[in-house]
Amino acid sequence: NAGVIQTPRHKVTGKGQEATLWCEPISGHSAVFWYRQTIVQGLEFLTYFRNQAPIDDSGMPKERFSAQMPNQSHSTLKIQSTQPQDSAVYLCASSLVGGRYEQYFGPGTRLTVL
Amino acid sequence: GDSVTQTEGLVTLTKGLPVMLNCTYQTTYSPFLFWYVQHLNEAPKLLLKSSTDNKRTEHQGFYATLHKSSSSFHLQKSSVQLSDSALYFCALYGGSGNKLIFGTGTLLSVKP
Repeated sequence: NAGVIQTPRHKVTGKGQEATLWCEPISGHSAVFWYRQTIVQGLEFLTYFRNQAPIDDSGMPKERFSAQMPNQSHSTLKIQSTQPQDSAVYLCASSLVGGRYEQYFGPGTRLTVL
Repeated sequence: GDSVTQTEGLVTLTKGLPVMLNCTYQTTYSPFLFWYVQHLNEAPKLLLKSSTDNKRTEHQGFYATLHKSSSSFHLQKSSVQLSDSALYFCALYGGSGNKLIFGTGTLLSVKP
């Protein structure tokens, strides 16, 4: 079991450019979560999919951020027109169902917006 | 809404001493509490979890007891090691949604 895979591990973009982050959950896990981690804000929930369907996106900034899960083997987080304040580590996690079950985190993608 | 409070941002200790990291929570649902540990440049990993009132749960020398009467789930270890230096997150699943609510984290730094 390779665990949750996230690519790329590091991404540097210029202000105004687009960034797409990829996540491959653990096979058999039906819940996928995206989080953003910064020193100031800590670990912030962004969005949650269950069986590929979007369930809760209450943490997603309303503009510029979008997430998809086109199949059970991967999810993407897209940030349009990136801004310096988007610089963070973006973590993807998966679990058997959600909520009370253990979440397995990927290594994260460190996004730096110049 | 649901919330988790970790009062210590940084805890610095000498190897071999005991430690307690505080975690309190608020929820109107039946709580499920977790402790996650994140070592430098690594992903967070589950350390402990519990939903049973007044029952101690242990793993890797760490232990915690969920006390619903005081809404607490403090993490303890009797003798810290250098390898315990990491960021510790307390998290709550309260049933009001599908996500975990994380505390702000406590950085534990163990000195020789």
